[in-house]
Amino acid sequence: GIQVEQSPPDLILQEGANSTLRCNFSDSVNNLQWFHQNPWGQLINLFYIPSGTKQNGRLSATTVATERYSLLYISSSQTTDSGVYFCAVERSGGFKTIFGAGTRLFVKA
Amino acid sequence: DAGITQSPRHKVTETGTPVTLRCHQTENHRYMYWYRQDPGHGLRLIHYSYGVKDTDKGEVSDGYSVSRSKTEDFLLTLESATSSQTSVYFCAISDDGTGAYEQYFGPGTRLTVT
Repeated sequence: GIQVEQSPPDLILQEGANSTLRCNFSDSVNNLQWFHQNPWGQLINLFYIPSGTKQNGRLSATTVATERYSLLYISSSQTTDSGVYFCAVERSGGFKTIFGAGTRLFVKA
Repeated sequence: DAGITQSPRHKVTETGTPVTLRCHQTENHRYMYWYRQDPGHGLRLIHYSYGVKDTDKGEVSDGYSVSRSKTEDFLLTLESATSSQTSVYFCAISDDGTGAYEQYFGPGTRLTVT
């Protein structure tokens, strides 16, 4: 099956710093999403981005489907950005979603 | 979020007993999913549904069954619960009919099998 690898596994930032999270996948995909799981366990959809670039406030994401990776950028980080960030993909021609193991982010005040 | 509720939110049960978890949506989304989340494994797909009475297996479907008799309800059943099924279970929905396939998650159900 398709493999999804996220890096780094853990990240500690000072409030106000910028960061880049990476998601590599091993096969062609027709669906890629980024999620944030807050410290209370709630999962929030950040981006649906099978290709191209999108921005939402301080967050942006870029997927280069031909090279099988996606990047999530967080600028001017805030303590509320803490939590786990997941990348999830669906292989082309399929409907089964596969999640990466996540990047755990802690933003210090 | 997105009109998704899960019940119960917490449950403790004994090994060998049947358990049913319910996911209810008010958004009329076509797809519904059940995931489990365990430390060290992230989220793993158990089963999903692409319409009323249309379901398919995910990557960790053994020991689980599902049913979807109405668009708004997706039930996950553990026929005979085992300790290895202790987990947090999340329901998700997608496809509002406009070509938007973002998945939206419910609040989760914490299940403990003793």
